Amino acid sequence: SQQGEEDPQALSIQEGENATMNCSYKTSINNLQWYRQNSGRGLVHLILIRSNEREKHSGRLRVTLDTSKKSSSLLITASRAADTASYFCATDARGSNYKLTFGKGTLLTVNP
Amino acid sequence: GAVVSQHPSRVICKSGTSVKIECRSLDFQATTMFWYRQFPKKSLMLMATSNEGSKATYEQGVEKDKFLINHASLTLSTLTVTSAHPEDSSFYICSARTREGAYNEQFFGPGTRLTVL
Repeated sequence: SQQGEEDPQALSIQEGENATMNCSYKTSINNLQWYRQNSGRGLVHLILIRSNEREKHSGRLRVTLDTSKKSSSLLITASRAADTASYFCATDARGSNYKLTFGKGTLLTVNP
Repeated sequence: GAVVSQHPSRVICKSGTSVKIECRSLDFQATTMFWYRQFPKKSLMLMATSNEGSKATYEQGVEKDKFLINHASLTLSTLTVTSAHPEDSSFYICSARTREGAYNEQFFGPGTRLTVL
């Protein structure tokens, strides 16, 4: 699998439900970031979690990081139709000179 | 804060022409800017890293003579697609890393949709 690979590739839920997306990576990282992209638009930065952090919250978002398993998860609670978008994780590998490597993304559809 | 703009948002051009895309950090100084390319329903692929006042660093497989990058100031980087062909049609996105960013938080522009006829 590629660095920063998300699963599932697509997720469809009902408004009000929670959505969980996972990301796996291969190399040691400085940090991991989650981004949202609405169709045909740029990326919106959601949250950054450092390699020495295990969990971080921001509003309805909860991100976990398990460096031993080289994986992260993004949980969106009480989802809304406006959360419909593609979600990408991006890793900042050590020694990469600040380059980000993006996963393939999860397309989340929240049905009203 | 941390707003990045791109211009134009959409461009249609004829094959063989050159197209310039601008990326600006509006309210911060960007030490480094990055240029990505995204195909439909695909992830972002890093094309090059642009540092102010120095030559861009291109990723493997990216033609530097085809994709000219200039980072003239701490708030502006440009990508010029030279002699564009239909296979260059894509969504181009830039990002900027803040000078004060200790953790490599990058902010992305809204993207430029290039269509080459």
